[in-house]
Amino acid sequence: EVQLVESGGGLVQPGGSLRLSCAASGFSFSDHYMDWVRQAPGKGLEWVGRTRNKANSYTTEYAASVKGRFTISRDDSKNSLYLQMNSLKTEDTAVYYCARCARVVSGTYYFDLWGQGTLVTVSS
Amino acid sequence: DIQMTQSPSSLSASVGDRVTITCRASQGISNYLAWFQQKPGKAPESLIYAASSLQSGVPSNFSGSGSGTDFTLTISSLQPEDFATYYCQQYYSYPLTFGGGTKVEIK
Repeated sequence: EVQLVESGGGLVQPGGSLRLSCAASGFSFSDHYMDWVRQAPGKGLEWVGRTRNKANSYTTEYAASVKGRFTISRDDSKNSLYLQMNSLKTEDTAVYYCARCARVVSGTYYFDLWGQGTLVTVSS
Repeated sequence: DIQMTQSPSSLSASVGDRVTITCRASQGISNYLAWFQQKPGKAPESLIYAASSLQSGVPSNFSGSGSGTDFTLTISSLQPEDFATYYCQQYYSYPLTFGGGTKVEIK
């Protein structure tokens, strides 16, 4: 079955750290760009960042709100995507989704598969 | 950053109704636009990419149109399972940005 399964969410104090994981199965993980998207409680969707594939040197992009605090990485041998979150703030409280990117003919990428999400709560 | 503005923010409709949701980008994004459906407590699901291409497995009563700055998602005949929140998203440039969502409720 083609799926993405996130894990690692939980309660953390402001200023703390947390590492999320996303396990991929049923498809060739190493071929795909992979993203993280979050959703604060009762709010809309916010893009967090992207990691490209090996062919594109695993380069990354980040939203300004998380740049310098969050790091996206991947281990293609384990079909896994990671989000290392440091210096967490209360406003980082959200459900975090991993999303697979599909390439369009134009060379751009859109989200074609989402995980079920994992909740991160930043509170004292 | 490219701002994505959806309208309306919510609407009430009946089963069988034709529903139209609009999405406007703050600058031209060609056809680099996607639409997603999200049901309460669930992850988003892909509906449309490249403004008008239907994701595999999505029912044909969904359609998308537009290019440049103005886009539309149309549900030709609303079904009970279509009551959800819909988001547009541009993938023309970083940071990728989403519209604020349109909640489709039962009248």
